[in-house]
Amino acid sequence: DAKTTQPNSMESNEEEPVHLPCNHSTISGTDYIHWYRQLPSQGPEYVIHGLTSNVNNRMASLAIAEDRKSSTLILHRATLRDAAVYYCILNSGGSNYKLTFGKGTLLTVNP
Amino acid sequence: EAGVAQSPRYKIIEKRQSVAFWCNPISGHATLYWYQQILGQGPKLLIQFQNNGVVDDSQLPKDRFSAERLKGVDSTLKIQPAKLEDSAVYLCASSLELAGGNEQYFGPGTRLTVT
Repeated sequence: DAKTTQPNSMESNEEEPVHLPCNHSTISGTDYIHWYRQLPSQGPEYVIHGLTSNVNNRMASLAIAEDRKSSTLILHRATLRDAAVYYCILNSGGSNYKLTFGKGTLLTVNP
Repeated sequence: EAGVAQSPRYKIIEKRQSVAFWCNPISGHATLYWYQQILGQGPKLLIQFQNNGVVDDSQLPKDRFSAERLKGVDSTLKIQPAKLEDSAVYLCASSLELAGGNEQYFGPGTRLTVT
């Protein structure tokens, strides 16, 4: 499975934008880039996914580098409820589309 | 739309005892997953079903863990006998089908403590 690299932790202030980076230099052409987050004492929650183009949804935006070797999850205005562990995951048919979670990035949001 | 349901939410057992967890996925979701999440780590996939067939169980400790998905809907995960290192949260997830663009929906998990 192609691996991802994320910072262990990041800090942000409430109502400011947050850019969470993810490196995936060994990504293959068929790998989708998924982001999930896990709030304390809850199961993971889907945030967004993309293949080649940038994506926007009600929760966040996903910016994918032109060479696809990195991506950035953008939270446009962080709230205290966005404090969570954010996971960047690649999946493809070659791995039965399973999600392999790493350690993720622990995002702290300061009031 | 109802989410993924799991029961029980908490379970405490002694080592060498057996335990079973139940999962009811979102209606119409063909793919079901069981994950194990040890404290401080990301979830680890144990087994993946497509309808009632196993797609991937490469990380399931088959000497003590078993899982089934009857009629392609509900699923149970069993541990027999339990060891101390099985203490973890067991998460069930489902997705519409087996495809890269499909998101997985997770249940609240069952927190297992083995003493």
